[in-house]
Amino acid sequence: EAGVAQSPRYKIIEKRQSVAFWCNPISGHATLYWYQQILGQGPKLLIQFQNNGVVDDSQLPKDRFSAERLKGVDSTLKIQPAKLEDSAVYLCASSFEPGPNTEAFFGQGTRLTVV
Amino acid sequence: AQSVTQLDSQVPVFEEAPVELRCNYSSSVSVYLFWYVQYPNQGLQLLLKYLSGSTLVKGINGFEAEFNKSQTSFHLRKPSVHISDTAEYFCAVSQSGGSYIPTFGRGTSLIVHP
Repeated sequence: EAGVAQSPRYKIIEKRQSVAFWCNPISGHATLYWYQQILGQGPKLLIQFQNNGVVDDSQLPKDRFSAERLKGVDSTLKIQPAKLEDSAVYLCASSFEPGPNTEAFFGQGTRLTVV
Repeated sequence: AQSVTQLDSQVPVFEEAPVELRCNYSSSVSVYLFWYVQYPNQGLQLLLKYLSGSTLVKGINGFEAEFNKSQTSFHLRKPSVHISDTAEYFCAVSQSGGSYIPTFGRGTSLIVHP
């Protein structure tokens, strides 16, 4: 079974530039999560999708971050414009359905460095 | 709201020695508890979880954890570690009966020396 695919693996941009990350979840997984993991901290949920609808985006900085999952499969997370404090690993995860009884599988992440 | 405290940022240990990684949580309601492992350049992988029932939970790779409600703890243990256990370990908590959004601790780096 293929895992959660993320690209790119690494990205370096200058502040005020824009950047986009892509995630392809495990086939058949309706729930998709984007997490931000700043160095030395645990992952923090940015947004949760159920199919193509947003379930929770309460911690997404909406003035600069946006995410979409138009067809309920792949998802993109965009930052525009980027700030230095956005330097982090961005993790995508998917699960068959929401809830603690089904395991969420994580991708390898995209490491973003803003200079 | 819930929170998680991982008391040790780094735990060095020799191979074949036992290890305990500490985790305490705070929540005003019942919780679900999780331990995840993150190997270098990898995503997170679920080690084990407590939802209900027996307070001693066994996970993959020989790890186990015990839920202690009175001490609000969920410490992770392994009786004999291997070099391959070197990784970052994250404790996480979510509210039972609510939206399943886990809150993660800062992580504990387990370093196993030969």
